[in-house]
Amino acid sequence: DQQVKQNSPSLSVQEGRISILNCDYTNSMFDYFLWYKKYPAEGPTFLISISSIKDKNEDGRFTVFLNKSAKHLSLHIVPSQPGDSAVYFCAASSRGAQKLVFGQGTRLTINP
Amino acid sequence: DTAVSQTPKYLVTQMGNDKSIKCEQNLGHDTMYWYKQDSKKFLKIMFSYNNKELIINETVPNRFSPKSPDKAHLNLHINSLELGDSAVYFCASSPPDRDYGYTFGSGTRLTVV
Repeated sequence: DQQVKQNSPSLSVQEGRISILNCDYTNSMFDYFLWYKKYPAEGPTFLISISSIKDKNEDGRFTVFLNKSAKHLSLHIVPSQPGDSAVYFCAASSRGAQKLVFGQGTRLTINP
Repeated sequence: DTAVSQTPKYLVTQMGNDKSIKCEQNLGHDTMYWYKQDSKKFLKIMFSYNNKELIINETVPNRFSPKSPDKAHLNLHINSLELGDSAVYFCASSPPDRDYGYTFGSGTRLTVV
């Protein structure tokens, strides 16, 4: 039962353009969403989060959008840089659950 | 100074052996976790501990036994290793405020042969 889904296993974007990574969820109890970035042989690192009371959160080049009615969120990276090449995981939690549920990740490749 | 450190980074062992993975965090977080990333790259929660107390045991076989001697440490002991246990195991910790997310260790790649 995959409650958080990232349907694109990979994405290739040209340097300087916008990268858009998508995530869908099924559990309506989820009220907090996060994006993590992972390089090979390293642990995931926290990137940005959004609460369900918001529909947008921005941090520098990274913006997360949340569409609760569609149970969909997306991460926008603009402009994309070579150092952004990594696997991006979407994660969700519900209040009091004390766990994050992860999607299966999207490998982003930024081409020079 | 590493925030969440786990050892060893790589572990190759034979079926039937018993092995342990250690995890330590110096962030002062109350909650620690073990996650497993399988061959399909899914990251799945195994255990969650809050102040040395087990909070979540996500249908993990009894061969896996976490131990938290204090809130800064959460070790994972695995008995009678099986081929299917081969995976990358991540330790993580988190503060009470969800805005700061989890901090993960760099992972332990376990290979059972």
